[in-house]
Amino acid sequence: GQNIDQPTEMTATEGAIVQINCTYQTSGFNGLFWYQQHAGEAPTFLSYNVLDGLEEKGRFSSFLSRSKGYSYLLLKELQMKDSASYLCAAMDSNYQLIWGAGTKLIIKP
Amino acid sequence: TAGITQAPTSQILAAGRSMTLRCTQDMRHNAMYWYRQDLGLGLRLIHYSNTAGTTGKGEVPDGYSVSRANTDDFPLTLASAVPSQTSVYFCASSSGTDFYGYTFGSGTRLTVV
Repeated sequence: GQNIDQPTEMTATEGAIVQINCTYQTSGFNGLFWYQQHAGEAPTFLSYNVLDGLEEKGRFSSFLSRSKGYSYLLLKELQMKDSASYLCAAMDSNYQLIWGAGTKLIIKP
Repeated sequence: TAGITQAPTSQILAAGRSMTLRCTQDMRHNAMYWYRQDLGLGLRLIHYSNTAGTTGKGEVPDGYSVSRANTDDFPLTLASAVPSQTSVYFCASSSGTDFYGYTFGSGTRLTVV
């Protein structure tokens, strides 16, 4: 079957670094996506990885290991506005996204 | 601004009534999707359409129907609403075959009483 696992909730301190892990199992693989979703809002695209390695985009970086079925999202210099849910999603062979339940990130001052 | 428009923003619906959630996109995306999002369960796919004129069932299709008469519109209909259909509904679209992910509408919060 197809499955995405990520932690339900994480807490971090403003200014610190946090890593949100995701493991996936899909029928075929066409990339790994991370989305950010603030409470009461729609998910918005953060990053996309299809090859192994690290993709850096400002304070956010995303890593992929296809052999391990593993990805992480790294957030640096955390700000209060980063408090949100972070959704991991893998694209299967039919170009459909399989979604994790999301990780709620709580930032404390 | 290009994107996806959903209507209504929120709705309270009596059980047994029917309702259509509207979704329109102006990006000429081939693929469109309807999801429901419930606390702790994440996004669950209801129905999808890879191109105008075709539709498919997702993970939780029962009690819902869709149509795709043209590229831009993808309405979701609840024929006879039940309280378990209380949820936040998101419409999304994508090019279908490239790797830019999905663009989401702002969502419809539906409460069935």
